[in-house]
Amino acid sequence: SYVLTQPPSVSVAPGKTARITCGGNNIGSKSVHWYQQKPGQAPVLVVYDDSDRPSGIPERFSGSNSGNTATLTISRVEAGDEADYYCQVWDSSSDPVVFGGGTKLTVL
Amino acid sequence: QITLKESGPTLVKPTQTLTLTCTFSGFSLSTSGVGVGWIRQPPGKALEWLALIYWNDDKRYSPSLKSRLTITKDTSKNQVVLTMTNMDPVDTATYYCAHSGYSYGWFFDYWGQGTLVTVSS
Repeated sequence: SYVLTQPPSVSVAPGKTARITCGGNNIGSKSVHWYQQKPGQAPVLVVYDDSDRPSGIPERFSGSNSGNTATLTISRVEAGDEADYYCQVWDSSSDPVVFGGGTKLTVL
Repeated sequence: QITLKESGPTLVKPTQTLTLTCTFSGFSLSTSGVGVGWIRQPPGKALEWLALIYWNDDKRYSPSLKSRLTITKDTSKNQVVLTMTNMDPVDTATYYCAHSGYSYGWFFDYWGQGTLVTVSS
């Protein structure tokens, strides 16, 4: 089955840029989606199809995907961005839906 | 405005069957390109996808849980039902249903609030 690997935690100071990676075999050939989950809340889609943002998501959130790594980039990080972030792909050949293990973003 | 809400028991005993209902509004599951999925999250752990049903009644299941899961839809009632057999304490989790859209891959763009299911005798 397809595996997505995320770092357990990332820390960043307010106003700086946070980068959260999602590793997978040839992930660049797949479409990657990213979710933000704050404590006690349901996940929220923040990036889909590698780099598109749903309406209402700030431009500070962006994504990229190439080779074996996809990256969620959060610019000008705010305290309110502190949350768990999950990547997800859809793979028609095996497990249709796969989530990464999640990354806890801490704003220092 | 798309909304989804999960309902079902909050406590089930080991070996029992769990039945969860997702009631939604703001879209039709008979519209091409639409799906509804179930995802769960044990306390303090990561998201785990369970099942997905498409507008054309095609269904997909997590390979590791496939033998225990059944997903069905009732388009007239705007509901999707998930059943999971032989429940175990490790199945204790918050269960979410979510609207699934498709572009270059399926993703979940609207989520219910989730329902916590505890498995205990």
